[in-house]
Amino acid sequence: ILNVEQSPQSLHVQEGDSTNFTCSFPSSNFYALHWYRWETAKSPEALFVMTLNGDEKKKGRISATLNTKEGYSYLYIKGSQPEDSATYLCALYSGGGADGLTFGKGTHLIIQP
Amino acid sequence: SQTIHQWPATLVQPVGSPLSLECTVEGTSNPNLYWYRQAAGRGLQLLFYSVGIGQISSEVPQNLSASRPQDRQFILSSKKLLLSDSGFYLCAWTDVGTGADTQYFGPGTRLTVL
Repeated sequence: ILNVEQSPQSLHVQEGDSTNFTCSFPSSNFYALHWYRWETAKSPEALFVMTLNGDEKKKGRISATLNTKEGYSYLYIKGSQPEDSATYLCALYSGGGADGLTFGKGTHLIIQP
Repeated sequence: SQTIHQWPATLVQPVGSPLSLECTVEGTSNPNLYWYRQAAGRGLQLLFYSVGIGQISSEVPQNLSASRPQDRQFILSSKKLLLSDSGFYLCAWTDVGTGADTQYFGPGTRLTVL
């Protein structure tokens, strides 16, 4: 059973501040890492898919980095806005064809005005 | 464009009753299809996946089953629900390819077993 850990479990951030959180995974089982944003009453929305060690991806104010050798990924949000409030999920794909993703429990981010 | 539908959106069922949740995808053909569940205090857990009609792989032994009677239809069933089956059920699809493909999720079904 793969263990994908996310920390912190929840986070309160003041509007305008920047923040980051972590996803850890077993480096020996790496094929691809996915980040999703899951807002209340909506479907999880894909943010990034990362496959290469040292990869860095950016989408607006959100960016992510990947270290496959040590088994972690960071998600950064610059200048947090209320609409960034959501649960951020990371998920590991460990290979094997059509196998699904192994998700962490998520980081619940609340942006306070 | 592709869309994914799930129904019902919410369901309250007594223990021991049967279950049928449906997922359909539009705008693509021969997708990989997945059922995930989020139980209270836990992350999303893969239950079943399918690479084609009639082809189902199970990730976790349980009293649930899945079927794919048509290319873009995926059904999750149970003959007798348990309290532990309560949770949020998500269907997802991806193009046939590698695990680096984005998975697209449906709106989900909130199941409460009493």
